[in-house]
Amino acid sequence: EIVMTQSPATLSVSPGERATLFCRASQSISSNLGWYQQKPGQAPRLLIYGASTRATGIPARFSGSGSGTEFTLTISSLQSEDFAVYYCQQYHNWPPWTFGQGTKVEIK
Amino acid sequence: QVQLQESGPGLVKPSETLSLTCTVSGGSISNYYWSWIRQPPGKGLEWIGYIYYTGSTNYNPSLKSRVTISVDTSKNQFSLKLRSVTAADTAVYHCARVITDAAHVFDIWGQGTMVTVSS
Repeated sequence: EIVMTQSPATLSVSPGERATLFCRASQSISSNLGWYQQKPGQAPRLLIYGASTRATGIPARFSGSGSGTEFTLTISSLQSEDFAVYYCQQYHNWPPWTFGQGTKVEIK
Repeated sequence: QVQLQESGPGLVKPSETLSLTCTVSGGSISNYYWSWIRQPPGKGLEWIGYIYYTGSTNYNPSLKSRVTISVDTSKNQFSLKLRSVTAADTAVYHCARVITDAAHVFDIWGQGTMVTVSS
């Protein structure tokens, strides 16, 4: 099973600032990675797949990069609605598809 | 637009079977993979398994011995059965659609249903 490790666990950012979230895979997953945003009481929302392709309707301030074992989600200028928990998910080697433990982006 | 809605009991006794159904509305269940994913309170996401509309399945090895996912295309529904539940199975259970066969990520999710395992 591929283990996904996200860092940091919590990221404190001021509105308008840039946020950078990291996800590391325990072995190479090529570009088979997705990112999700989850707000309290809601289902996760797909942001990125293929490591860098934005899902339908996702604003351009969200961008993903990386391949192999190291990946990054960048939010270029944080809006109030972006404060949430973010998860990465690999789909390279399965079963099972596995998620990271999440990074909480909170208001500084 | 496609929407998913989970339904089923919110309370299940230990050792019994958890049964949930996901109803797909606004589109056809055909030509897609459909998954169940759970999230224990305050914790992260765990993929349970998927079913293709044809009925082929794949499960998380950690749950495989206790899980069955089935599909009813006539009702545009798919279902989850998890046997011999314990308190560790207490979670919000989501159904979700896999975006494509080439990218196994989940683009549409149900709101989730909380299932508590307790006597």
